[in-house]
Parts: sequence; C-alpha cells; structure tokens
Amino acid sequence: DAGVTQSPTHLIKTRGQHVTLRCSPISGHKSVSWYQQVLGQGPQFIFQYYEKEERGRGNFPDRFSARQFPNYSSELNVNALLLGDSALYLCASSGPGQGSSYEQYFGPGTRLTVT
Amino acid sequence: DQQVKQNSPSLSVQEGRISILNCDYTNSMFDYFLWYKKYPAEGPTFLISISSIKDKNEDGRFTVFLNKSAKHLSLHIVPSQPGDSAVYFCAAQEYGNKLVFGAGTILRVKS
Repeated sequence: DAGVTQSPTHLIKTRGQHVTLRCSPISGHKSVSWYQQVLGQGPQFIFQYYEKEERGRGNFPDRFSARQFPNYSSELNVNALLLGDSALYLCASSGPGQGSSYEQYFGPGTRLTVT
Repeated sequence: DQQVKQNSPSLSVQEGRISILNCDYTNSMFDYFLWYKKYPAEGPTFLISISSIKDKNEDGRFTVFLNKSAKHLSLHIVPSQPGDSAVYFCAAQEYGNKLVFGAGTILRVKS
C-alpha cells in the first residue's frame, strides 16, 4: 500500500516568490495536516483539513494557505517567501473519523530552501 | 510556551541494553500521546501510541508508559539495536486534532 506522498522532494526559491507543495494521503484517509520542521526543532503545526474543510490553523502568517481537494489530496501555498521559510514541510494523513485520536502518518517531506 | 518537552537532547546506549526516552507535557487536555522515529531527510515514522486512559502500551521491543499525575511519558526500547539510532519525537494530541511535538532526542546505539 502506498503511504503518504509529497511533491516535490526538494525546491529552491528566491525571496518574494510563491511556492506550492502537494500531498496525497494514504488511501482511505480523509484528514491531512501540514507541519513545518526547522533544524533542531520538532515539527510545528500549520494546518489541518478534514473533508475539504479547515479544522485547525497554527500560528503562521496569512502568507501560508492550504486547501484539500475532493480526492483528499492537499496543497500548501506560501506567498512572498522569506529566508525564514526555509524548512522541511511535512504532510500527514490520518484515518476516517472526525475528532477522534487517530495516529498521523507522515510523508517524506519537501525540503524548501529560500535564497 | 512549550507544551511538550524532551529535556534530553541526546542519549547514548550500548547495543542490547535498554534505551529510555523521556517526555513531559503541561496541557492536561491532551488525551493521546505518540512516539515517532525520524532519520535524516525522511519524514517521521510512527512507532507507538497510548491513550490517556491507559498507563502502558507494548509493541514488540517498544513500550510506552504514561504517568498522568506527573504529566510524564517514557519510551522504553529493549533490547536496543544499532538500527534504532535516530531522532525520537514525543507528540501529544487533544481530541484528534493537531500534534504538538517535543524538540526530539537523538538516540545513538553503539555496537
């Protein structure tokens, strides 16, 4: 069975540009969450989506946005990139059921470098 | 404010011995706790979890203990193997929502 997939694997962008990261969840999973991990820290929550609706948002500026599609895949968009946005962006999916404590399974991440 | 803390940045153990990784939390509303293992350039891999209604959960070489009164959990790995060398993250969850992670502990298992 395919796990969570993310694309692209690596990305280099210039300050001020826009980036779109993509995620496909495990088959049957309806919830997708996005996390940002910088070196030396644990992943920080950005967004959670369930059935195409935003269920949670972390402490990130409005430059960060996301959406979930009918097939439960998701996109994370970041506008006006800053050097500090350089990080590993992780997508996680979890099983059916809203508000229940399902384990989240992570993809390999997208390494974003902003120069 | 860090709601989940892993106070040991690193831990080194001998192959075959027990590894004990610790985690403390402050939010009493957390009802589910998870441990993840992460290799460089990869996403975190789910290891084991525990609900707040339990105090122990075991899966093969991995056991997680939860002490709710102390707001403390630990991961025991017995016996430790060189392939266990990785960064281990503790995470907590409130009612199926976002995961709140600790900063991680680097485990090195020496052969």
